[in-house]
Amino acid sequence: GEDVEQSLFLSVREGDSSVINCTYTDSSSTYLYWYKQEPGAGLQLLTYIFSNMDMKQDQRLTVLLNKKDKHLSLRIADTQTGDSAIYFCAEGLHNTDKLIFGTGTRLQVFP
Amino acid sequence: EPEVTQTPSHQVTQMGQEVILRCVPISNHLYFYWYRQILGQKVEFLVSFYNNEISEKSEIFDDQFSVERPDGSNFTLKIRSTKLEDSAMYFCASHQAGEETQYFGPGTRLLVL
Repeated sequence: GEDVEQSLFLSVREGDSSVINCTYTDSSSTYLYWYKQEPGAGLQLLTYIFSNMDMKQDQRLTVLLNKKDKHLSLRIADTQTGDSAIYFCAEGLHNTDKLIFGTGTRLQVFP
Repeated sequence: EPEVTQTPSHQVTQMGQEVILRCVPISNHLYFYWYRQILGQKVEFLVSFYNNEISEKSEIFDDQFSVERPDGSNFTLKIRSTKLEDSAMYFCASHQAGEETQYFGPGTRLLVL
């Protein structure tokens, strides 16, 4: 079945690193995505990784993929108050265009 | 930077009324989607649309729902007779041919009373 799970909350101090975790069940994933949702706003694509990659770095963002354990993580270095938002991981599957979303992790950054 | 736009941002309607949610996808995109997010729940896929027809739909997308691309720019979601449980944030998304990343609009918050 298709299921994507995330922890609901994460609270970090400004300047620290944040690590948001995601697990998924379907092994036919093609791409895995991270989206950011600020209050009242839509889903902003942050980054994505192809399923045959282990890691992708994009400025302050590092995505790690453990395909064996079906575990995806997003690390935000030097977290800022502007990073406070809900972060969704999403899975793209083979033979379908739909994305399967996780529950979202609310990241709160405090000074 | 081009973006997906949606109107209205908020809509309140009475149960049983028809609503039409509008989206303008990014101009050179050919694949279009609707998703919804009931408050406190996951973002759920509703329907995908390509080449003027539905390519995939979820079990949520029953006969009360329909989609249309009435002209070269708009993509609409119609709910024929709204129910209380249709209250949600509705997101439109689009992507280019040959690309895998879907770009989302800001959403329409629908409240059915």
